[in-house]
Amino acid sequence: SQKIEQNSEALNIQEGKTATLTCNYTNYSPAYLQWYRQDPGRGPVFLLLIRENEKEKRKERLKVTFDTTLKQSLFHITASQPADSATYLCALLPTTDSWGKLQFGAGTQVVVTP
Amino acid sequence: ETGVTQSPTHLIKTRGQQVTLRCSSQSGHNTVSWYQQALGQGPQFIFQYYREEENGRGNFPPRFSGLQFPNYSSELNVNALELDDSALYLCASSWEVSNYGYTFGSGTRLTVV
Repeated sequence: SQKIEQNSEALNIQEGKTATLTCNYTNYSPAYLQWYRQDPGRGPVFLLLIRENEKEKRKERLKVTFDTTLKQSLFHITASQPADSATYLCALLPTTDSWGKLQFGAGTQVVVTP
Repeated sequence: ETGVTQSPTHLIKTRGQQVTLRCSSQSGHNTVSWYQQALGQGPQFIFQYYREEENGRGNFPPRFSGLQFPNYSSELNVNALELDDSALYLCASSWEVSNYGYTFGSGTRLTVV
């Protein structure tokens, strides 16, 4: 069956350190993968998109890697700040789906302490 | 530029009732998708509307239906509500069927009792 797995345990990290989140998928050949941030009671906010032919993408303090052989994406927050505390969701567009049916993981909560 | 607006923000309904949720897409966006997010889970795709036509549907029963209007706003209707329908319902808009990120609204929290 198709699965998208993210660490279910919260990631507790000290301010200034790098947070690394993992997204693993099985039985998908995604056209691209996206990362979103979600705060409690709010909708997800788009952060980054990486395509199947890209290895790495950066935006300010954020970095995403995509390894289609390992079927894994890593999401890094460098120089983390308490304001980065949120749940981070990975989502992919299955290649066989042509109409934007994003499939989401359950998310990983990040807690950044001062 | 306005974002995606959803109404109402919270709603309590009784099992068996019907509910309509509304979404105004971001200015310039012509595609609307609806997602259901249960507590502690990621959003699950319900369906997508593009230029007023449904063009993709997830694993949801027919009692989940929708509409998109000429101004690209949208409604999600759920008939015969069940307790398991309690969730955060999210609307996301994009330009065309986007290869970029979707803009989500803050959602409607539906509680079925």
